[in-house]
Amino acid sequence: DTGVSQDPRHKITKRGQNVTFRCDPISEHNRLYWYRQTLGQGPEFLTYFQNEAQLEKSRLLSDRFSAERPKGSFSTLEIQRTEQGDSAMYLCASSLGSGGVYEQYFGPGTRLTVT
Amino acid sequence: AQTVTQSQPEMSVQEAETVTLSCTYDTSESDYYLFWYKQPPSRQMILVIRQEAYKQQNATENRFSVNFQKAAKSFSLKISDSQLGDAAMYFCALFMNYGGATNKLIFGTGTLLAVQP
Repeated sequence: DTGVSQDPRHKITKRGQNVTFRCDPISEHNRLYWYRQTLGQGPEFLTYFQNEAQLEKSRLLSDRFSAERPKGSFSTLEIQRTEQGDSAMYLCASSLGSGGVYEQYFGPGTRLTVT
Repeated sequence: AQTVTQSQPEMSVQEAETVTLSCTYDTSESDYYLFWYKQPPSRQMILVIRQEAYKQQNATENRFSVNFQKAAKSFSLKISDSQLGDAAMYFCALFMNYGGATNKLIFGTGTLLAVQP
């Protein structure tokens, strides 16, 4: 069990550019979540997948944000036309999501800085 | 709407002493889970302890234990024999497993714990 991994760990981009982040969940986990965390705050939910199906999106996820989880394995989060307000830590988490096991295990995050 | 409140932005404890972090939550549902997560500086979120709402017995994990008061909607974390490595931001989180809008973790704003040598 290698845990949840995220790539890249840091991303600096100019306003208006597109960025894409990747998350690899724990291999047997069916559920995958994306959260956003700003400095001094708790994580806020963005979206979640059950296998390859995206079942919920937060109102925080504007039209510039899109997430995919092809084949129910890794996931990508893309932000188009980045804005300075998008600067945050983007966290990915996965969970088994069955049999009463709902703990979410988090990756190290991708810190995005938009200049 | 479900909410989680952590009223202590910062706490401090002496090494080897005991500290209790407070958390209250609000939900109209009866079936839910509560978690405490630890986030050390510049490091990833780590699960500390979980509590199922249907269980009356308080969860314990080594030096970490909770005081779960379902009627009062209170879920405090007690850290015994505090160690320098316990210094971190601690988040309380609520989870309800329903096939819909509530299927996510709802976090409090966190409590920053300092451990003094």
